[in-house]
Amino acid sequence: KQEVTQIPAALSVPEGENLVLNCSFTDSAIYNLQWFRQDPGKGLTSLLLIQSSQREQTSGRLNASLDKSSGRSTLYIAASQPGDSATYLCAVRNNNDMRFGAGTRLTVKP
Amino acid sequence: ETGVTQTPRHLVMGMTNKKSLKCEQHLGHNAMYWYKQSAKKPLELMFVYNFKEQTENNSVPSRFSPECPNSSHLFLHLHTLQPEDSALYLCASSQAIARTDTQYFGPGTRLTVL
Repeated sequence: KQEVTQIPAALSVPEGENLVLNCSFTDSAIYNLQWFRQDPGKGLTSLLLIQSSQREQTSGRLNASLDKSSGRSTLYIAASQPGDSATYLCAVRNNNDMRFGAGTRLTVKP
Repeated sequence: ETGVTQTPRHLVMGMTNKKSLKCEQHLGHNAMYWYKQSAKKPLELMFVYNFKEQTENNSVPSRFSPECPNSSHLFLHLHTLQPEDSALYLCASSQAIARTDTQYFGPGTRLTVL
């Protein structure tokens, strides 16, 4: 059974810092890995999707990497802004099943 | 807005009530999903529908009954729920259930069972 872990559970940084969020998974036979953002009381917004054959994806200030063999992914956020404050979730897909991590709650202080 | 709407946004019900959650997607997608997000637990996939056919049921208790009358609408019928069923219920859709498809989520229904 796939297990997904996200570290740290919470992170607080001053505005302008670059930061890295971590995601690890136990079963490397994945189809893809997806990073989401969730604002309090809201649904999820997809940020980046990395296919199992890819090593990284970039969108604006976000860069996600995938090392399938070691069961790890990172989400790099450059020049963080207060508007980046949210919970970031990673999800791993095997067949029709998606497993989510518990998330990292990010606070960017002005 | 992601193109996926959910109603109601908030619901309070007693354990003997029967209620339904509704999800509608305006993206022309063919796959729809129900997820449960409990406090302090990771998001859990409940049901998957592809072209109106249920393809996944992750050992969900029978007090949760999904219905997918067409590719744009998904319901979750609730009856005889327990207080531990209180959670945020999220609906999502994707083009299909292919490996490359991104899921788009609705805002969720916050359910409280008294």
